[in-house]
Amino acid sequence: DAGVTQSPTHLIKTRGQQVTLRCSPKSGHDTVSWYQQALGQGPQFIFQYYEEEERQRGNFPDRFSGHQFPNYSSELNVNALLLGDSALYLCASSLRGQGAYEQYFGPGTRLTVT
Amino acid sequence: EDKVVQSPLSLVVHEGDTVTLNCSYEVTNFRSLLWYKQEKKAPTFLFMLTSSGIEKKSGRLSSILDKKELFSILNITATQTGDSAVYLCAVEARSGGSNYKLTFGKGTLLTVNP
Repeated sequence: DAGVTQSPTHLIKTRGQQVTLRCSPKSGHDTVSWYQQALGQGPQFIFQYYEEEERQRGNFPDRFSGHQFPNYSSELNVNALLLGDSALYLCASSLRGQGAYEQYFGPGTRLTVT
Repeated sequence: EDKVVQSPLSLVVHEGDTVTLNCSYEVTNFRSLLWYKQEKKAPTFLFMLTSSGIEKKSGRLSSILDKKELFSILNITATQTGDSAVYLCAVEARSGGSNYKLTFGKGTLLTVNP
């Protein structure tokens, strides 16, 4: 049973560019959450998707957007990249209605903005 | 705004030492407190605490929650080099319906030297 997978593993982009990160949830899960973890910081909640809609959002600007597909996989898009967007982006999946402790994290995508 | 503060931010010990990691929080609609271990990328779940005074234990790791004083501690006895990691504390809060929101602390970087 594959766990949560994310692609790509690493990514280098230039300021002003746009980036798309991808996440496939653990088999049987229908909810995907995205987190940003800057160096030396804990993960910060970006948003959560369920039934192809954004259900909750953290304190992130509109440059951060997402999508969830019918197969429950998800994308995180970041427009107009800033140096401060450099971070590890974590995807976590769960089943709707379960508590946070049943959330599984993926290995993350390391984004470097130069 | 929900807040989670961990201390110390970093700690260096020798194998065999016992360590205590601290986590204090201010959260609206508290549901649970979680501890994670993060070695390279994906945080892995350690404990979930919901009730005061009940110790959770797994091998050499144990944790307890004080909901009156709003803090938790994670103890690791007889530390091993494999315990070297970032330990994250997160608080789960209800945010409407069956939704929850996780707020993480910055983490404690534990280094165990042989």
